[in-house]
Amino acid sequence: AQKVTQAQTEISVVEKEDVTLDCVYETRDTTYYLFWYKQPPSGELVFLIRRNSFDEQNEISGRYSWNFQKSTSSFNFTITASQVVDSAVYFCALRQGDSNYQLIWGAGTKLIIKP
Amino acid sequence: DVKVTQSSRYLVKRTGEKVFLECVQDMDHENMFWYRQDPGLGLRLIYFSYDVKMKEKGDIPEGYSVSREKKERFSLILESASTNQTSMYLCASSLDRGAQYFGPGTRLTVT
Repeated sequence: AQKVTQAQTEISVVEKEDVTLDCVYETRDTTYYLFWYKQPPSGELVFLIRRNSFDEQNEISGRYSWNFQKSTSSFNFTITASQVVDSAVYFCALRQGDSNYQLIWGAGTKLIIKP
Repeated sequence: DVKVTQSSRYLVKRTGEKVFLECVQDMDHENMFWYRQDPGLGLRLIYFSYDVKMKEKGDIPEGYSVSREKKERFSLILESASTNQTSMYLCASSLDRGAQYFGPGTRLTVT
């Protein structure tokens, strides 16, 4: 079965703290793609990153970094030195194979950054 | 930058009305999607389209239909709106099997 689990429903930290959002996925495919999206209070989903299953290199973009580990089926997202503007709901998603258009979505993690 | 626009941010309709939600993308993407998002239920796919005039049902197509007459435009139709269709509707587009890019959403209230 295909599934994406974001076990953390809500996380609250004080500004400037580092925070990691967990994402665990299940799939039988050897080819798949993983995504992270941000949904700020305005409601629009913003694409952050896409990773394919053959590329286990970690990615860093400014204060954001992603740790992809196939051995544990995880694709975790870390925000370093968090800021109030990072407050949002973050979704992890999975797309299987090369012939499937649909994304399987996690339930989302609400991140609250307190000033 | 990819731009996906939706016809309305907020919409209020009465039960039984026919409702059209329009979505337009300007990046020549083949694929377009309609989702609804409800608290506690996450994002659920209603329909998607991988080409003009082509459509596929998603997870919850009942009560909805779609139309894609032009590549850039994907419409979601509620033939007879009901209160349980009150929700946030999100449109997205993607190139091939790349990332989906979303519009700002339409918050629909059916009274």
